[in-house]
Amino acid sequence: DAGVIQSPRHEVTEMGQEVTLRCKPISGHNSLFWYRQTMMRGLELLIYFNNNVPIDDSGMPEDRFSAKMPNASFSTLKIQPSEPRDSAVYFCASSLGTSGGQETQYFGPGTRLLVL
Amino acid sequence: QKEVEQNSGPLSVPEGAIASLNCTYSDRGSQSFFWYRQYSGKSPELIMFIYSNGDKEDGRFTAQLNKASQYVSLLIRDSQPSDSATYLCAVNQGNTGNQFYFGTGTSLTVIP
Repeated sequence: DAGVIQSPRHEVTEMGQEVTLRCKPISGHNSLFWYRQTMMRGLELLIYFNNNVPIDDSGMPEDRFSAKMPNASFSTLKIQPSEPRDSAVYFCASSLGTSGGQETQYFGPGTRLLVL
Repeated sequence: QKEVEQNSGPLSVPEGAIASLNCTYSDRGSQSFFWYRQYSGKSPELIMFIYSNGDKEDGRFTAQLNKASQYVSLLIRDSQPSDSATYLCAVNQGNTGNQFYFGTGTSLTVIP
């Protein structure tokens, strides 16, 4: 099993530019999660999809952030325009997506974003 | 009040000792509890999960859950330098779907 795949692994961009992060969940997993991790705030859930449908996007900081999941094997998180305070590590995770909440999330390697 | 709280540490223990990591949560309806380990610059990886009150053992790791006190802990026996990492507690409330609420993590250093 290849695990959760994220790209790019590192991204350096200038303020105001558009940034697109990509994620491929584990095959057969129906739930996908986007997290942001910083030293100050820890690991924060941004949005979560189940069967390609956004279920909870209350963690998305503002309108500059958007996420899509066009099919079961691909998701994107877009920041437009980017700002220095968006600098963080962005993780994608996936889980089987069965009901009851008793299941494990598996994390991708993360994308380290630096906005200058 | 944060959903999940952990002592950020750092916690230092000598090699071979028992490391005790603690976590409290605010939602009494929470159903499942997870411990993740995160090495510096890496992604979180699952160590254990626990659903029922009491202890659950897996090798050198023991998870303890007390729902009445809204408290979950992780014990690491015979600590090794390779256990040095940040440990994240995660809670799933069950009634709100599959999302987790993570604590900010406890940094553990095992001194050789």
